[in-house]
Amino acid sequence: AQSVTQPDIHITVSEGASLELRCNYSYGATPYLFWYVQSPGQGLQLLLKYFSGDTLVQGIKGFEAEFKRSQSSFNLRKPSVHWSDAAEYFCAVGAWYGGSQGNLIFGKGTKLSVKP
Amino acid sequence: NAGVTQTPKFQVLKTGQSMTLQCAQDMNHNSMYWYRQDPGMGLRLIYYSASEGTTDKGEVPNGYNVSRLNKREFSLRLESAAPSQTSVYFCASSEGAGQQPQHFGDGTRLSIL
Repeated sequence: AQSVTQPDIHITVSEGASLELRCNYSYGATPYLFWYVQSPGQGLQLLLKYFSGDTLVQGIKGFEAEFKRSQSSFNLRKPSVHWSDAAEYFCAVGAWYGGSQGNLIFGKGTKLSVKP
Repeated sequence: NAGVTQTPKFQVLKTGQSMTLQCAQDMNHNSMYWYRQDPGMGLRLIYYSASEGTTDKGEVPNGYNVSRLNKREFSLRLESAAPSQTSVYFCASSEGAGQQPQHFGDGTRLSIL
């Protein structure tokens, strides 16, 4: 069965430090992968997506993610974190069930806190 | 461009009351979804509609019903609310089901006493 694991429930980094959020997926075929961000009291906003091609994808707000098929991973990175990046981050894999049926399967999220 | 609009934003119900959460999208998307979000549980799919006229159960459908009223609107109904249904509910839409990025509303915060 398809699944997404985000091993870190909560991460704290200092402002200006680099960031890496981990995501591992389980999916039988070539995965469609996504990272979303959720600020407090808001809905989820798409940061970036991977469908095929270059395994390093760029997103909004200075984020990037790298797809590694051998490790079944799609980790999110940012070189220098800003206080406004404090939020919860969700990794998701697109699952197709045949015909027009399918959905995104989400990880449980990683909450990012930023120290001044 | 409003995107996905959910109403109401907040609601408090008593156990046993019924309620319909409304969702509308203006992106001409084919697929729409209802999720609930609980602390530590991530997002769990309640129901989805791959296209107008179709609906399918997700991971946690018990206690809920949905209606895809037209291409724009997808409502979620709680027939007899229970405290276990206290949650934040999100509606989302996508161009197609499965592997397309989804666009989310801002959520409905529902408390059931």
